[in-house]
Amino acid sequence: QVQLQESGPGVVKPSETLSLTCTVSGGSISGHYWSWIRQPAGKGLEWIGRIYYTGNTIYNPSLKRRATMSVDTSKNELSLELTSVTAADTAVYFCALTLVVAAPWFDPWGPGTLVTVSS
Amino acid sequence: SFELTQPPSVSVSPGQTASISCSGDNLGATYASWYQLKPGQPPVLIIYQDTKRPSGIPERFSASNSANIATLTISGTQAMDEGDYFCQAWHNRIVVFGGGTKLTV
Repeated sequence: QVQLQESGPGVVKPSETLSLTCTVSGGSISGHYWSWIRQPAGKGLEWIGRIYYTGNTIYNPSLKRRATMSVDTSKNELSLELTSVTAADTAVYFCALTLVVAAPWFDPWGPGTLVTVSS
Repeated sequence: SFELTQPPSVSVSPGQTASISCSGDNLGATYASWYQLKPGQPPVLIIYQDTKRPSGIPERFSASNSANIATLTISGTQAMDEGDYFCQAWHNRIVVFGGGTKLTV
């Protein structure tokens, strides 16, 4: 059973870059799609984007090109960078295995990591 | 832009049937998925490809998707089913989530 674990700084200053890592265990990154999804406190889920193990990506246009995802197959890790953060980027960030048959769904998810944007 | 609309809250008595709707323009033309969220826990997939249940999800969870509405149905609702439920679809190469429904049992 694939397990995912997000990690990151916890607090990021406004206008700086948020960097997160998702470590995959119990399976290989290769051959799969992976997504980043976030949930601000008290709000709904927002899909950030999807990456294939080859590095091909699709991003949510709502993030206005601030997000960059990457994979490191040698480490079995995914990464997310989000530039020019503001308080609106404060959220729990999840990584998830993305299964795709005509349309995607997400299973399993990591436990999530809280990122707070604050000076 | 494509949006998925869910009722903010649904209440149900234990043992009764709960229905949560998710509406979107021509939603039935794509697959819908559903997730359960509880405080402090990651989302759990409960329905994918409109009607399929992952292994480990109880049979009391079922769903449909047709025309403009996807519906999640929980038969014989239990106290443990209390939580937030989100629908999700794929439209123009973007994943869209509904706003979520808080189920109170």
